[in-house]
Amino acid sequence: GENVEQHPSTLSVQEGDSAVIKCTYSDSASNYFPWYKQELGKRPQLIIDIRSNVGEKKDQRIAVTLNKTAKHFSLHITETQPEDSAVYFCAALASGSARQLTFGSGTQLTVLP
Amino acid sequence: DAGVIQSPRHEVTEMGQEVTLRCKPISGHNSLFWYRQTMMRGLELLIYFNNNVPIDDSGMPEDRFSAKMPNASFSTLKIQPSEPRDSAVYFCASSLMEVGNSPLHFGNGTRLTVT
Repeated sequence: GENVEQHPSTLSVQEGDSAVIKCTYSDSASNYFPWYKQELGKRPQLIIDIRSNVGEKKDQRIAVTLNKTAKHFSLHITETQPEDSAVYFCAALASGSARQLTFGSGTQLTVLP
Repeated sequence: DAGVIQSPRHEVTEMGQEVTLRCKPISGHNSLFWYRQTMMRGLELLIYFNNNVPIDDSGMPEDRFSAKMPNASFSTLKIQPSEPRDSAVYFCASSLMEVGNSPLHFGNGTRLTVT
């Protein structure tokens, strides 16, 4: 099955700086890669996603890049703000009959004011 | 839309008791998922349904866990008997179509504590 590894597990940045979170996946047939943000005590919420036919996608201060050859994808947050502090999860959609998301282990991002 | 609705929000029970978690997916969504979240293991898929039919239950830890979806608007996850290691946050999620063609929407979760 699919295996997703996420790094780093914790990340602290100064307000206004950029943050980058990286994930690798094992199934070369995976074709959908969403990112979820989970604030403390709340539910995971989709913030951005990318499909395998696209190399980069941007939505205001967040962007995701995908390298299919290397089987890795990254989340980039620019001009970070304290409200960006949360746990971020990457995921990959496994191929085959059981099409289900496999999640990374999460990154705790802290934006220091 | 109210989103995915889960109940209860918190459940505290003693070891050996039966626990039932409930979920109402977003109206019109065809796929429903149960996830378990712990610090040690992160987000784990337990089971998912498509059009009320269980498609993959390979993530269900053991026979103490069971899930049903009697209709398109309701699902339950039951643990009988419960054990302290079952303590976790259980999320229900739904999607309009097959994941990958539509986003996955999570409920607010049920925090289960088994003493």
